[in-house]
Amino acid sequence: GENVEQHPSTLSVQEGDSAVIKCTYSDSASNYFPWYKQELGKGPQLIIDIRSNVGEKKDQRIAVTLNKTAKHFSLHITETQPEDSAVYFCAASIAGGSYIPTFGRGTSLIVHP
Amino acid sequence: DAGVTQSPTHLIKTRGQHVTLRCSPISGHKSVSWYQQVLGQGPQFIFQYYEKEERGRGNFPDRFSARQFPNYSSELNVNALLLGDSALYLCASSSGQDNQPQHFGDGTRLSIL
Repeated sequence: GENVEQHPSTLSVQEGDSAVIKCTYSDSASNYFPWYKQELGKGPQLIIDIRSNVGEKKDQRIAVTLNKTAKHFSLHITETQPEDSAVYFCAASIAGGSYIPTFGRGTSLIVHP
Repeated sequence: DAGVTQSPTHLIKTRGQHVTLRCSPISGHKSVSWYQQVLGQGPQFIFQYYEKEERGRGNFPDRFSARQFPNYSSELNVNALLLGDSALYLCASSSGQDNQPQHFGDGTRLSIL
């Protein structure tokens, strides 16, 4: 089955800095890669996603890049703010009729004011 | 519009007991998935239902079962509870179409004493 590795497990930055979280996946059939943000006491919230026919996608301060050849994808957050502090999860799903993602172990992002 | 709602929010049980967790999907969503999230890890897939039929099952023992009702709401049942079943149980809904994003509820925190 699919295996998703996520790094780093903890990321501490100063407000205004950029943050980058990286994930690798094992199954070349995976074609959909969402990123979720989970705040304390809440469920994961979808923040951005990318499909395998696209190399990069941006949404305001957030961007995701995908390298299919290397089987890795990354989340980039620019101009970080204290409210960006949360646990971020990447996920990968294999093409097919159902969407059953495999999640990474998560990255705890801490943005210091 | 209401998001995914789960009940109860917290639950305390003892070993050997049985528990039923409930989930109402976003209006119009026909697919519901259940995940187990232990502290410090990403969500682990348990079940997916679409149009009341099981469409996927993760690597969980037979003590775990689920069903989906005609109104697309769902229940997750766990029998003979073990200490290791203590976790956050998340429900996610989607349209059920290929690789459409899932939207999570805030989960049920289950503690086993």
